[in-house]
Amino acid sequence: NAGVTQTPKFQVLKTGQSMTLQCAQDMNHNSMYWYRQDPGMGLRLIYYSASEGTTDKGEVPNGYNVSRLNKREFSLRLESAAPSQTSVYFCASSEMTGGNNQPQHFGDGTRLSIL
Amino acid sequence: GDSVTQMEGPVTLSEEAFLTINCTYTATGYPSLFWYVQYPGEGLQLLLKATKADDKGSNKGFEATYRKETTSFHLEKGSVQVSDSAVYFCALKGSQGNLIFGKGTKLSVKP
Repeated sequence: NAGVTQTPKFQVLKTGQSMTLQCAQDMNHNSMYWYRQDPGMGLRLIYYSASEGTTDKGEVPNGYNVSRLNKREFSLRLESAAPSQTSVYFCASSEMTGGNNQPQHFGDGTRLSIL
Repeated sequence: GDSVTQMEGPVTLSEEAFLTINCTYTATGYPSLFWYVQYPGEGLQLLLKATKADDKGSNKGFEATYRKETTSFHLEKGSVQVSDSAVYFCALKGSQGNLIFGKGTKLSVKP
């Protein structure tokens, strides 16, 4: 069972470069999420997609764009990377947004450094 | 807005010691509550959950009870092992379906 798969696992970028982080889930979940994890900050929501074809901003969306390519895949794009975007990025999925008791399943993360 | 506050670490315990990690929340209504665990270099794994007041979530010897009156969801384990060393996150389900996390508590268990 693959669950939630993120690629790449590590990446180093220079300021101003662009990059797309990929996420795919094989659990047939409707909802998908992108978080960033920073030391002492916990995880913060960047964007989410309640269902295929919809996306919405989370707590910290500035500097990012997302695409819900199909039900399985949800990508996160940095158009012009900045050092403040150095972080660990996690993708997650769950059954449905309105299901209050449904847990989220997380990928292993992408460790991104912006020089 | 909704928020989660958990005790700051790091917490260092000897093997077989009793563990408590405090978690309190602020929310509209009664959201589902979760504890996630993150082992080094890995993503977050669901440890346990509770969906309504007085529910007790339990898994792998860990327990947490949803206390509406104190808006708390403290994590406990009677006897920790070295393999329990990890970062523990308390979280609640927000109105957008996302999780709102505490800042995490790092636990180190020494043999």
